[in-house]
Amino acid sequence: QKEVEQNSGPLSVPEGAIASLNCTYSDRGSQSFFWYRQYSGKSPELIMSIYSNGDKEDGRFTAQLNKASQYVSLLIRDSQPSDSATYLCAVPFDGYSTLTFGKGTMLLVSP
Amino acid sequence: DGGITQSPKYLFRKEGQNVTLSCEQNLNHDAMYWYRQDPGQGLRLIYYSQIVNDFQKGDIAEGYSVSREKKESFPLTVTSAQKNPTAFYLCASKLGGNEQFFGPGTRLTVL
Repeated sequence: QKEVEQNSGPLSVPEGAIASLNCTYSDRGSQSFFWYRQYSGKSPELIMSIYSNGDKEDGRFTAQLNKASQYVSLLIRDSQPSDSATYLCAVPFDGYSTLTFGKGTMLLVSP
Repeated sequence: DGGITQSPKYLFRKEGQNVTLSCEQNLNHDAMYWYRQDPGQGLRLIYYSQIVNDFQKGDIAEGYSVSREKKESFPLTVTSAQKNPTAFYLCASKLGGNEQFFGPGTRLTVL
């Protein structure tokens, strides 16, 4: 069964704080993981991909992967109001030709 | 400019009517995808195509049809058999890995 689970939120953080978004997945064999950001009324935008256990940093974003726990997270440092969006976690199943998306976590950053 | 275009941005359908949503990409991507997104929900896969003249059903293909006659184009027809078609429709494409990139979307409303 293909399952990608995320807390729906909203996750509310003050400006400048660290926002932590979490995702669990059902397929122990999954090898790649993606985070998309979706502003209200817009299409998803790929912001991070991670393939190996550990951390991957890109600017204010850090993706963390723990394959043994089937857990991937996204940290946003120095959160800005412009980071307010829904963050979707996506994992490939079925031989990697398709992605399964979680329902997303809404992040609200207050000034 | 390279990218994925979808048209129209907004579409209104009467009961019992078939409508076709356009998706075009000039990224030379091999695979193309159609997703449906309902309010507060993640993305659900309708159909996908990995090569020209071939496509596979996703998780919610009933009431939809597609064609892939050209690499650049992957139109989606929402038929009258789809009983609840009001949703945000997203087209995506990818080259070889798992990273999918999205078009701007079409918002379909049934009158």
